[in-house]
Amino acid sequence: QKEVEQDPGPLSVPEGAIVSLNCTYSNSAFQYFMWYRQYSRKGPELLMYTYSSGNKEDGRFTAQVDKSSKYISLFIRDSQPSDSATYLCAMRDAGGTSYGKLTFGQGTILTVHP
Amino acid sequence: GAVVSQHPSRVICKSGTSVKIECRSLDFQATTMFWYRQFPKQSLMLMATSNEGSKATYEQGVEKDKFLINHASLTLSTLTVTSAHPEDSSFYICSARALGGGPLNEQFFGPGTRLTVL
Repeated sequence: QKEVEQDPGPLSVPEGAIVSLNCTYSNSAFQYFMWYRQYSRKGPELLMYTYSSGNKEDGRFTAQVDKSSKYISLFIRDSQPSDSATYLCAMRDAGGTSYGKLTFGQGTILTVHP
Repeated sequence: GAVVSQHPSRVICKSGTSVKIECRSLDFQATTMFWYRQFPKQSLMLMATSNEGSKATYEQGVEKDKFLINHASLTLSTLTVTSAHPEDSSFYICSARALGGGPLNEQFFGPGTRLTVL
């Protein structure tokens, strides 16, 4: 079983739709949760990160963490064609020997069509 | 913002040759750099973690004699793929973590290098 599971999609939505992206994880040591956006043939860029359970909002993006269920989500409101990319969840523990090491989900390919 | 560059962006080589990829942090000092490999439509898989001035730590299953990592300064790390074979063809991405990177210790990613071994 992978430590982080993410549905690879692909996911295709019309412009303006609300997009929901999700990851589940099995390692209870994970404390930091991140969402990255990766355009084709580019490196990932950090969109949002959260530390505790709950919601965090930034513009059209909302990140949600439920540690009890080991489940994280990213919601995109009013999706735009420019949001078309691969979205990767990533997470890491608080420190120790694996300090800084990120574990990524497989990534979900999102296409927002006009 | 923090910028990480990689060079080259794309390389094609013959089987059996060695290829060097550079990763540079342009506007900050990186105590730690990470090297990832990404196959098409798959996630980033961490290959190794390198700290400036010390030997790299390789993930399980990654051959350290095949993937040589040198982190000679706080702004430069190199990955050398030795005796490359077609199965080494992949997208190689580095990331760099700054000194005193705060509670998140954010990694900043380079744009990646596409390696094709013929």
